[in-house]
Formats: sequence, structure tokens, C-alpha cells
Amino acid sequence: TQTVSQSDAHVTVFEGDSVELRCNYSYGGSIYLSWYIQHHGHGLQFLLKYYSGNPVVQGVNGFEAEFSKSDSSFHLRKASVHWSDSAVYFCAVSGYNQGKLIFGQGTKLSIKP
Amino acid sequence: GPKVLQIPSHQIIDMGQMVTLNCDPVSNHLYFYWYKQILGQQMEFLVNFYNGKVMEKSKLFKDQFSVERPDGSYFTLKIQPTALEDSAVYFCASSPTGERNTLYFGAGTRLSVL
Repeated sequence: TQTVSQSDAHVTVFEGDSVELRCNYSYGGSIYLSWYIQHHGHGLQFLLKYYSGNPVVQGVNGFEAEFSKSDSSFHLRKASVHWSDSAVYFCAVSGYNQGKLIFGQGTKLSIKP
Repeated sequence: GPKVLQIPSHQIIDMGQMVTLNCDPVSNHLYFYWYKQILGQQMEFLVNFYNGKVMEKSKLFKDQFSVERPDGSYFTLKIQPTALEDSAVYFCASSPTGERNTLYFGAGTRLSVL
């Protein structure tokens, strides 16, 4: 069974704070992990991905994520958030070079001024 | 960046009617997808499509659903007949050949079945 779990439905931080959005997965075989962002009223936008190599991957706008095989995790982090980072963040898993993504429930990130 | 366009943004129809959701994928992409998102719930895979054929579909892709892309025009999702439980936001996506895992999504069509 392939599943993705995002344990926090809603995270609120102040502008300038660091943030970590959690993602845990269950998947057999070669795995491809990614994060997407969804601003209100828009479609999902790709942030970053991991398939192999360095477990820490860099994405756009200062986001990074770290893969951990032992923890079955792929948490998303940002050192200093901006108000424009307010959005819903989705973690996704798939097999290599497959477009069928399995998404987590999403984490809504709210930024206080 | 590359954009996927979805038309219309909102569609309201009566139960039992037919509806067609239109998607204009990124121009050089060859893989196309539909995902369904019920309000407050996660995004769920419906179907993927390549070279004129359905490659894979989920159990959510009922017999009343069909997809096509005639002559390189819009990639469409047709539901006939619609049911109340079809109310959701439907997202179209496309991906390039070399990076099928990286999907480009449209803004979605909100379908309301009354």
C-alpha cells in the first residue's frame, strides 16, 4: 500500500521564522518524492523533488527538503518565511518516471505579520 | 513558467446532465492527467493519458467518465451522466517526456452538481 501522511493540517508561524512541514510515506520499490505548493484559487506548483543522491534537495524560494529512508520521511523546511509563503503544501510520492502521484492531505501554512 | 489552462473555472449543472471539462496542456508535453479534489480533502489521481490512450485509471474513474484529446486540441474529461458525488474541483496536469514525475497543474475547474 502506498500512502503519504502529512501530520499537521495547519501550521502558523510569524514572518521571518523558520518552518518545517512534515511528510511521511509508505511505498514499495523505487521512490520519487516531491513537494507542491497551492496558493488559494490556483493549481499546484512544483517546488522540489528527490529521487537519489544527496538527501537534502533545494527548491525554489529558499525551500529545501530532506529525505530519510530510516524515518520514511521527506520534510520540507524554510529558514525564514515570507508572507507570500502562505499556501497549502502537498507532499507526493510516485514511482520513478511515473506521473501517477499519491498526495498527502496537505498542510496549510499561515504566516503572521 | 509553462502553464496549463482549464476552462471553465466553475461549472454548475443538474444531476444527470453531461459535462465536459476542458484542458489546454503545456504545448510540448505528451502525458496528461486528471485529478479530483473534494473540498477539504486530498488530491486524488483519476487517470493518465498518452498517445491517444488511457494508460492507467483509478477506481474513482467510473464508467461514466471518459477522456480524449482529439487532434491535439483540448484534453477533455467528460462525465455522462453526472452524479451528486461528482461535485469537486478537477485539476488537469501535464508532464514532459523526460520528467514524467514533474507535473504542471492547471488552476482547476470547480464542478457543482445540483
